[in-house]
Amino acid sequence: DAGVTQSPTHLIKTRGQHVTLRCSPISGHKSVSWYQQVLGQGPQFIFQYYEKEERGRGNFPDRFSARQFPNYSSELNVNALLLGDSALYLCASSRGLAGTTDTQYFGPGTRLTVL
Amino acid sequence: RKEVEQDPGPFNVPEGATVAFNCTYSNSASQSFFWYRQDCRKEPKLLMSVYSSGNEDGRFTAQLNRASQYISLLIRDSKLSDSATYLCVVTRGGFKTIFGAGTRLFVKA
Repeated sequence: DAGVTQSPTHLIKTRGQHVTLRCSPISGHKSVSWYQQVLGQGPQFIFQYYEKEERGRGNFPDRFSARQFPNYSSELNVNALLLGDSALYLCASSRGLAGTTDTQYFGPGTRLTVL
Repeated sequence: RKEVEQDPGPFNVPEGATVAFNCTYSNSASQSFFWYRQDCRKEPKLLMSVYSSGNEDGRFTAQLNRASQYISLLIRDSKLSDSATYLCVVTRGGFKTIFGAGTRLFVKA
């Protein structure tokens, strides 16, 4: 089975621009979570979507938004990019809600650089 | 104070050594506990879940103490391939997953 896939792998943007990151979960998984990981830190929870509904949100500004499609793939959108948004953005999928005992499987991430 | 705190590291150990990582969490409503491993510039991968009864997987042993809000990971007979960052992970509320900052391990020949 294919694992979690993310696109693009790398992205360079300038301040003020907008970015869309994409994630395809493992087949049969209905939950997708997004994380931001800056260098030297652990991943920080941004959103969880389950069955196409937002089920949880971390402490990120409204510039961050996401959605999940009927095929369970997901997009993360970030508006008005700041230098501090430079990070590795990770997507994780799980069968059920990620905040339970369900294992989360991570994709390889999208490395975003904001200049 | 961060909700999940880990030993800052890095840990530098010789092959064959036993190494222990500690993690504390501050929210008593935390429900599930995990250790993930992350190699340099790669995604995190589940190493093991952590249960109150303790669990062992080969050279790896994880323990949870809910009363003290403390989680540990013990690696016996360290291998060069164990070199990585070890992330302590806690979940609560049915949706929120909190990662510690990670502890870096270097195993030397």
